[in-house]
Amino acid sequence: DIQMTQSPSSLSASVGDRVTITCRASQSIRSYLNWYQQKPGKAPKILIYAASSLQSGVPSRFSGSGSGTDFTLTISSLQPEDFATYYCQQSYSSGAFGPGTKVDIK
Amino acid sequence: QVQLQESGPGLVKPSETLSLTCTVSGGDISRYYWSWIRQPPGKGLEWIAYMYYSGTPNYNPSLKSRVTISVDTSKNQFSLKLSSVTAADTAVYYCARRQQLSPHYYYYGLDVWGQGTTVTVSS
Repeated sequence: DIQMTQSPSSLSASVGDRVTITCRASQSIRSYLNWYQQKPGKAPKILIYAASSLQSGVPSRFSGSGSGTDFTLTISSLQPEDFATYYCQQSYSSGAFGPGTKVDIK
Repeated sequence: QVQLQESGPGLVKPSETLSLTCTVSGGDISRYYWSWIRQPPGKGLEWIAYMYYSGTPNYNPSLKSRVTISVDTSKNQFSLKLSSVTAADTAVYYCARRQQLSPHYYYYGLDVWGQGTTVTVSS
């Protein structure tokens, strides 16, 4: 099984901050990596697929990078609506998620 | 606009089988892959399984011995059965569409989700 890890598990940030979240796979998943945003009581929403492709309708302040085992989600300027939990997910084999990173207000 | 709606019992007794259905509206179920995901209270997302409408299911290895998913094209529904449940199976269960998001490569993501349904395992 491919295991996914994320760091940090949580972070506090202010509106306007640049935020970076890291995801690591236990073996190479090439670019088969998705990022999701989940707000409390809501279903997740896909932000990024194929490691760096922005899903239609997602603001351009979200970006993804990486390949192989190490990936990054960056929010260039954090907005009030971005406070949420973010999950990575590999689509190379099966669909395992990372444990999540909660972004809250500093 | 495809929409998904989960349905099923909100309470299941330990050792019994959890059964959920996801109804697909606004689209043809036979064109996509379909997935189940769950989220225990206060915890992260856990992928359960996915399948194409006519293909072989792909199961999470940690749940494979207890899970069955199927697609009913006549009803535009897909379903989840999880046997021998325990309190650890208490969670919000989501159904989702697994869509090929890149036109040139097989990059799949979960682009449409149901609202989720809470299932509690308790006697």
